[in-house]
This record gives sequence, structure tokens and C-alpha cells, in this order.
Amino acid sequence: DAGVIQSPRHEVTEMGQEVTLRCKPISGHDYLFWYRQTMMRGLELLIYFNNNVPIDDSGMPEDRFSAKMPNASFSTLKIQPSEPRDSAVYFCASSPWGSNQPQHFGDGTRLSIL
Amino acid sequence: GDSVTQMEGPVTLSEEAFLTINCTYTATGYPSLFWYVQYPGEGLQLLLKATKADDKGSNKGFEATYRKETTSFHLEKGSVQVSDSAVYFCALSYGADRGSTLGRLYFGRGTQLTVWP
Repeated sequence: DAGVIQSPRHEVTEMGQEVTLRCKPISGHDYLFWYRQTMMRGLELLIYFNNNVPIDDSGMPEDRFSAKMPNASFSTLKIQPSEPRDSAVYFCASSPWGSNQPQHFGDGTRLSIL
Repeated sequence: GDSVTQMEGPVTLSEEAFLTINCTYTATGYPSLFWYVQYPGEGLQLLLKATKADDKGSNKGFEATYRKETTSFHLEKGSVQVSDSAVYFCALSYGADRGSTLGRLYFGRGTQLTVWP
């Protein structure tokens, strides 16, 4: 079975540029999560969706960050404009509906803003 | 608020040593508890879970017991291998009675484990 697929795996760009990260969740999963991981702050939940509807975006750091889920099989996380402090590994995860369900993570996008 | 506290790393062990990584939680109600593992360059993977008090989760030689009286879920392995070198995360989640938080995981900071041959 295909797992959670993220693209690109690596992104290097200059500050001020727009960055778009993509995620394809596991088919049939109801929840989709976006996380950011850094050495300083650890693993942070940015936003999550249930059936394509954003449930909690309180972890989104600033208005420069936005996330969409136009359908059940695709989500994007966009940063515009990007800044060097946005450099991190961004993970997408999905899970089925119901309590006690584990989340399945993608391999992440390593983002470097110069 | 809800939170998970893990022992500070890094943890460095020799092969075949005994491993314990401590995890305690603060929560209302009856959360489910998880251990995730992250190998270098990869996303997190579920290692084991326990959904109610006194349950023991186990996988790949790792074990953890849900202790409600001490609000703990310590990870143990009797004999570690070099291939166990990774970052380990403790996490909790709630059931349907918590409404809008259903599905969300609360993670600890992670503990880096390095095993030397």
C-alpha cells in the first residue's frame, strides 16, 4: 500500500520566494496533519483537517503560512514570503477516523531558505 | 493542559544493553498512549500503543505499560541493537469524548538513542 506521499523531498530557495509543499494522504483516511520539526522547537503541529475541513490552525506561526485541502487526496502548505527562520523539515501525516488511531507520516520535505 | 514529558537525551548505549526511556503525561480523562520512532531522514513510525490502563504495548522487542496510577508509559527493551539508533517520541491522544481534539496527537520532545557496537 502506498503511504503518505510528500513532495518535494528537498527544497532550497531564497528568502522572499513563495514555497509550496504538497501532500497526498493515504486513501480513505479522514484526518490530515501538517507538522514542522526543528532542533530548537522539536515537532510542532501547524494545522489539521478532518474530511478536508480545517479543524485547528492555531499552530500556524504567521499569516505567511496557509494550508488548503481541496479534496480528500491532496493538500498544500504554502509559505509566502519565505524567511530563513522557516527552514525546517515539514511533515504531513494522515489517519483514519476514530479514537486511538495512529497517524501515518510521510518522509517529510527538508526546506532551506537562504 | 495536556502534555507529555520525556527524559532528556541523548541516550548512548552499547549493543545488548538494557534500554529505558521515561515518559510521563498530564491529561484529563483517559487518553491512549503511543511510542513513535524516527529513523534518520525518515518520518515518524508507530512503534507501539496502549489504549487503557494496565495495557502493555509491544513490538520489535520494545515494550511499554500504561500506568494510570503513575501517569507513565516508559519504553523498555532488554537488548538494544545498533539498528535501534533513532529518535523516540512518546505521544497521547483522546477519544470521541473530547470532541474537536479527536484525532490529534500530543507529542513529547523526543529522545535521541545511539547504540554503539
